[in-house]
Formats: sequence, structure tokens, C-alpha cells
Amino acid sequence: EPEVTQTPSHQVTQMGQEVILRCVPISNHLYFYWYRQILGQKVEFLVSFYNNEISEKSEIFDDQFSVERPDGSNFTLKIRSTKLEDSAMYFCASTEDGDQPQHFGDGTRLSIL
Amino acid sequence: LAKTTQPISMDSYEGQEVNITCSHNNIATNDYITWYQQFPSQGPRFIIQGYKTKVTNEVASLFIPADRKSSTLSLPRVSLSDTAVYYCLVYMNTGFQKLVFGTGTRLLVSP
Repeated sequence: EPEVTQTPSHQVTQMGQEVILRCVPISNHLYFYWYRQILGQKVEFLVSFYNNEISEKSEIFDDQFSVERPDGSNFTLKIRSTKLEDSAMYFCASTEDGDQPQHFGDGTRLSIL
Repeated sequence: LAKTTQPISMDSYEGQEVNITCSHNNIATNDYITWYQQFPSQGPRFIIQGYKTKVTNEVASLFIPADRKSSTLSLPRVSLSDTAVYYCLVYMNTGFQKLVFGTGTRLLVSP
């Protein structure tokens, strides 16, 4: 069964640095998502992306964050000037259309020191 | 702030039926309700999705009342491997539609 893959599995970054989290969605999917899960808390929606533009974003997704689909396969989340509170698991998801269930990757654990 | 609430935890024994309810008062009109299972250090895994009334698949049933302000995931005859956190996911009306995960229910299945 096709999978959403995320790299790296664990990223350690100094506070203030920029980090890019990478995702390869399922190949025929058109809708892409990023979520965040702080340790011990629920999953929180960050942003959705369709047709090469952001379709929705939450209040968490401020100017510090950006997303990009640089080629036909990757979907990236960039976090500029990282803060300690950005430490979390970041999940990517994709779906074939907006009504179908999302398929999630196994996440990138981001640790900000 | 749009909220979806679930019981924090539930305990069950192998072979029992488990029902987990999610309250989503401000759900958007035209979108599906989806339930996911999450194991430690893994991403959420799809269980079931519905819009209204009842949906059943090979692993679960989903009950949605007419007003859609809540939904109940039913797991028949749970096993030890069903120990996980269960989340509902809905679109909420918050001035702009937004995807909101429920607060999550930690299910512990004992022998």
C-alpha cells in the first residue's frame, strides 16, 4: 500500500535556526497537509495545500512558517527562526481529493535546543 | 476557539465493545467526520469516515445523529492491539473552516 514518507525522522536544531521538514505524499494525491503534535497533546492542524497554493491555515501557521511543493513529489514545511516551543512531532498528510480520508506519515520529531 | 472534546481515557477488556464519543458543536455543514487511531511514535491511521447516520466497515462502526454535533466510534470485540489513542477529525465553522482534531481518547485494553 502506498505510504506518505517523511524525512528526517528526527531533527535537532539550535534555537533561531531555520529548519526544513520534508514529505513525499502518495503519488496521485492532490491535497497536502501539515500538522503538529506537541508531546502529550493532541494533533493540531497547521496548513492545507492544493493546486500550488495554501487553501487553509490555522492561527498557529504564522509568518514563521511556509510551505512549498518544489517539484512533483516533495512537500516541505519551513520554519524560520525556530523557538523552543516549536519542539514537536510534525506530521504530513495527503489525500486524493478533499472528501477522502487523509493518509499520514509517521512524522518528524523536531527538537529545538 | 473551535473545540472538539472526547473523554480523556477509557478502559476495557478483550472481547468487549467500546464506544468513544466526540462532541463537535460547531461542525461545518458539508464535511465528513473522520476517526483515526494513533500508536506511540506513529502518525494517525484512518479507521472510519461518515457524514450522517451510521457507517460500518470491517473494523468499526460510526454513529452520527441528525444534528451532527457529536459522533460515536464503536469498536466491536476489542483486542490488546487496540490499545491506542483515538481521535475524531472534523471541519469546524470558525469564521473560516478549519480542520480540528478532537482532544483524543486513550483506550487501554486489558486481558
